[in-house]
Amino acid sequence: QKEVEQNSGPLSVPEGAIASLNCTYSDRGSQSFFWYRQYSGKSPELIMSIYSNGDKEDGRFTAQLNKASQYVSLLIRDSQPSDSATYLCAAQPSGGYNKLIFGAGTRLAVHP
Amino acid sequence: DAGITQSPRYKITETGRQVTLMCHQTWSHSYMFWYRQDLGHGLRLIYYSAAADITDKGEVPDGYVVSRSKTENFPLTLESATRSQTSVYFCASTGGRSQAEQYFGPGTRLTVT
Repeated sequence: QKEVEQNSGPLSVPEGAIASLNCTYSDRGSQSFFWYRQYSGKSPELIMSIYSNGDKEDGRFTAQLNKASQYVSLLIRDSQPSDSATYLCAAQPSGGYNKLIFGAGTRLAVHP
Repeated sequence: DAGITQSPRYKITETGRQVTLMCHQTWSHSYMFWYRQDLGHGLRLIYYSAAADITDKGEVPDGYVVSRSKTENFPLTLESATRSQTSVYFCASTGGRSQAEQYFGPGTRLTVT
């Protein structure tokens, strides 16, 4: 069973701090990884994609991938209350035909 | 620039009734997906489609039927609704560099009484 694991949280951080969200995956052949943000009652929104080892930065967001450790993370710098949401990690499994396997999500709460 | 839309947004139906959830995308994406999202289970894939007239089962297909006669539409039918099918249903399609980046519709909240 190919799986993506996330800590359900809630992860509580003060406004202005760095929020660190983590994800592990079981399929060593996975090549593409994604972070989605989901506000309560809304649909998932793609915020980051990462395909190779290392860091990828986009504004206040940095995605990190370590394929040897089968580990993906998302850092949110200068966290804002508007970042409070559930963050879903997803991996494209080997032979996945564009399917994604999603983690259950980590709930982030940024308090003023 | 409608993107991907779902209808209805909310639906209440009775056990045993047939109900169809609609999904329409304007991007001409090849791949489309249906998920259900329940507390404690995250997003689970019901069915997906690689192109018109090509569909395949996902993780939880039982009780659901799909069709895809046109690239832009991917309806999901519950043939005889059960209370366990009360959920939020999301449709998605792929696009982007890897063709694995999925973009989601707004969702349909279905309640089966």
